Amino acid sequence: GNSVTQMEGPVTLSEEAFLTINCTYTATGYPSLFWYVQYPGEGLQLLLKATKADDKGSNKGFEATYRKETTSFHLEKGSVQVSDSAVYFCALNSNSGYALNFGKGTSLLVTP
Amino acid sequence: GAVVSQHPSRVICKSGTSVKIECRSLDFQATTMFWYRQFPKQSLMLMATSNEGSKATYEQGVEKDKFLINHASLTLSTLTVTSAHPEDSSFYICSARVLTGGSSYNSPLHFGNGTRLTVT
Repeated sequence: GNSVTQMEGPVTLSEEAFLTINCTYTATGYPSLFWYVQYPGEGLQLLLKATKADDKGSNKGFEATYRKETTSFHLEKGSVQVSDSAVYFCALNSNSGYALNFGKGTSLLVTP
Repeated sequence: GAVVSQHPSRVICKSGTSVKIECRSLDFQATTMFWYRQFPKQSLMLMATSNEGSKATYEQGVEKDKFLINHASLTLSTLTVTSAHPEDSSFYICSARVLTGGSSYNSPLHFGNGTRLTVT
């Protein structure tokens, strides 16, 4: 079925460093792709999404581009802040289209 | 908008008892809700799809008699963990999708804040 693979963490960066979290997908059809963020003890919040090839999702300084040729949706941010410390999940539509299938999550720790 | 409220946020119960978790869509109607389970430092596993007015659809390997799902209204789905055991201890998260005029494929899921279940 549709699935995503994302880089394993934890990722530790200094404040203002550049962030990349890799995500690649396997899917039938043309799923929408999502990045969610989970802060400690909380549920998931949508960070950004892209619905078709070459779309770029962006929010709060984070960006990800839907690359069909490399089946990737890498998350980037030019300058991370301590408040960005969280777990980031890449996701795509399940085969039924209704639910989402998630990657294993990448923990990010940003130090001052 | 698109707020999903989950209650309780934490619950501790004794082995053999049952626990009910509620998931409400506060400002939209949700004909379909999804229940996920998250193990420590792992991803979310879809347990079941809750359908308003009909039976839930369970993922392979999920015991339907143990995880009872009821979706009695367009704004409420409940998950009852019956005869709980320590191995049922986990973080349970519900979600729902706001249907827009476009395809449901493009609409993101909105998540509750989760319920931390500890079975002693």
